Amino acid sequence: QVELRESGPGLVRPSETLSLTCSVSSVSMYYYYYIWVRQPPGKGLEWIGYMFSSGTSSYNPSLKSRASISLDMSKNQVSLRLDSVTPADTAVYYCVRDAGAMVPPSFDYWGQGIQVTVPS
Amino acid sequence: SFDLTQTPSVSVSPGQTATIACSGDDMENKLTSWFQQRTGQSPVLVIHQNDKRPSGISERFSGSISGNTATLTINEAQTMDEADYYCQTWDNYLGVFGGGTKLTVL
Repeated sequence: QVELRESGPGLVRPSETLSLTCSVSSVSMYYYYYIWVRQPPGKGLEWIGYMFSSGTSSYNPSLKSRASISLDMSKNQVSLRLDSVTPADTAVYYCVRDAGAMVPPSFDYWGQGIQVTVPS
Repeated sequence: SFDLTQTPSVSVSPGQTATIACSGDDMENKLTSWFQQRTGQSPVLVIHQNDKRPSGISERFSGSISGNTATLTINEAQTMDEADYYCQTWDNYLGVFGGGTKLTVL
């Protein structure tokens, strides 16, 4: 069974960079899609982007190139970086992984989520 | 940008069939997933690739596509099915979620 656990600061100041880490418990990091999704308080889900283990990536254009996802295969970790945050970036951030072997990927495994607040 | 539209709320009585729709352009040529999110919990994948059920998901959940609408059907709805349901698809390698439908079973 795959487990994902997000970690990082719960509070980020406006204009600073949000940095989150997702620890992945699985035998291998290879041949999977790693996806980040967020959910503002009381609102729906928003896709942030993905990184495939080969390095292929895609991001939500609404984030205006502020988001970046990276993989550390040696540590079984996925990172999300979001630059120049504003209060609109306040949300629960989820780390997600697919089950493999499907394109486009499905969102099979979800972390428990981490609340990040950007104060006004 | 590509949009997915869902009805904000659906209400059924226990034992009835709940139908949740998700509309968007050219849905018949896209692959749609559905997620269940109970209050305070992470979303759970209940349908992928339009109509495939992951291991462990009840057979009461099914998905279908017709024209520009994807549909999640929950047979014999139970109170445990009360949750927000989100559809999701891909458009030119960009992920898109619907706005969500709140299902009430009472």
